[in-house]
Amino acid sequence: QQPVQSPQAVILREGEDAVINCSSSKALYSVHWYRQKHGEAPVFLMILLKGGEQKGHDKISASFNEKKQQSSLYLTASQLSYSGTYFCGSVMKTSYDKVIFGPGTSLSVIP
Amino acid sequence: GAGVSQSPRYKVAKRGQDVALRCDPISGHVSLFWYQQALGQGPEFLTYFQNEAQLDKSGLPSDRFFAERPEGSVSTLKIQRTQQEDSAVYLCASSLGQPLNTEAFFGQGTRLTVV
Repeated sequence: QQPVQSPQAVILREGEDAVINCSSSKALYSVHWYRQKHGEAPVFLMILLKGGEQKGHDKISASFNEKKQQSSLYLTASQLSYSGTYFCGSVMKTSYDKVIFGPGTSLSVIP
Repeated sequence: GAGVSQSPRYKVAKRGQDVALRCDPISGHVSLFWYQQALGQGPEFLTYFQNEAQLDKSGLPSDRFFAERPEGSVSTLKIQRTQQEDSAVYLCASSLGQPLNTEAFFGQGTRLTVV
């Protein structure tokens, strides 16, 4: 029941945009996004609770399509500091006491 | 404390040895989670506590794994008779509310290497 993420990896030049997709085969209560830099703890980015909800801070935003059980993370005008592995986490309606993380998308931003 | 603290940061165990990993969550956080993260993979859920109650242990891979949080704050993950496949980073996270709608704060993890 692990969510699927795509792409597995992406390399961007500074200033370019990227989209990371997350999909689940199960009905979802919420989608969580985290970023982890090498050797560090995952850091919370945002939670999307309702179908159609969109959130963002700085130049990172996300959307949640509850009907399709999909979420997308949008990174615009990427900065070097955006490099890391992005994980989506799903909370399923059948077991809402845990966040199940996807395999991650490795994002590298180069000058 | 300022954040979630885990100790030790690194642990090397001989196969068959027992290990205990400690997690100090953020003070006042009700929910506590343990995850196992293999190299290049996402965190895999192990278990969830709400205060001192272990509400979900469905992710514990075998009966060699045991977790407790007796007073609703500090938690310990114990692995008995360690095997090579137990080598991973063990992450602890805590949150103020329910997993459904609350951000979790992760510790730096304990990297366990079984030799």
